[in-house]
Amino acid sequence: QKEVEQNSGPLSVPEGAIASLNCTYSDRGSQSFFWYRQYSGKSPELIMSIYSNGDQEDGRFTAQLNKASQYVSLLIRDSQPSDSATYLCAVNAYPSGTYKYIFGTGTRLKVLA
Amino acid sequence: GAGVSQSPRYKVAKRGQDVALRCDPISGHVSLFWYQQALGQGPEFLTYFQNEAQLDKSGLPSDRFFAERPEGSVSTLKIQRTQQEDSAVYLCASSLESGTHQPQHFGDGTRLSIL
Repeated sequence: QKEVEQNSGPLSVPEGAIASLNCTYSDRGSQSFFWYRQYSGKSPELIMSIYSNGDQEDGRFTAQLNKASQYVSLLIRDSQPSDSATYLCAVNAYPSGTYKYIFGTGTRLKVLA
Repeated sequence: GAGVSQSPRYKVAKRGQDVALRCDPISGHVSLFWYQQALGQGPEFLTYFQNEAQLDKSGLPSDRFFAERPEGSVSTLKIQRTQQEDSAVYLCASSLESGTHQPQHFGDGTRLSIL
């Protein structure tokens, strides 16, 4: 079983809709979680970080964490064509390991104009 | 301020050649990470430095891979006797401090192609 799992997609949503991206992780002791956006040929760019159960909002983005279910999600409201990218879920390996990230395979999002 | 800088952006080498990839982290960042990203996959951890100390090299695929950060700033990832399976994007990331909540900032990567 992969340590961090994401649906590879593509997830297609119409412009203006809410895009919902999901991630599950296997290490129950994980403490910090990050969402990165990666455009083709570009570096991963940090979108959100979340450490406590519940929701964290930043503009059009909301990260949700449920440690009991080992589940973290990213909601993108009012999706724009410019949001079309691959979204990577990253889990910090600490305390099971050092401060390295364990990444999922990424979910490709397509926002249709 | 400048972000994480990696060079070269693209590297083509023949199988069996040695290559060296450079990472210049954000100034003052203590932690430095190397990841390998295959096409269509998420980045996979290679190695981690805290200042000049290499604290984790568990992700290095073989003894052909070697990384250093001698003065605690610039880092070099060296691959000896390259093989075709080494073809990937190599990403470098840095974070201000060591810690579980520290976000990592990524460079644009070096795309390595082994012929």
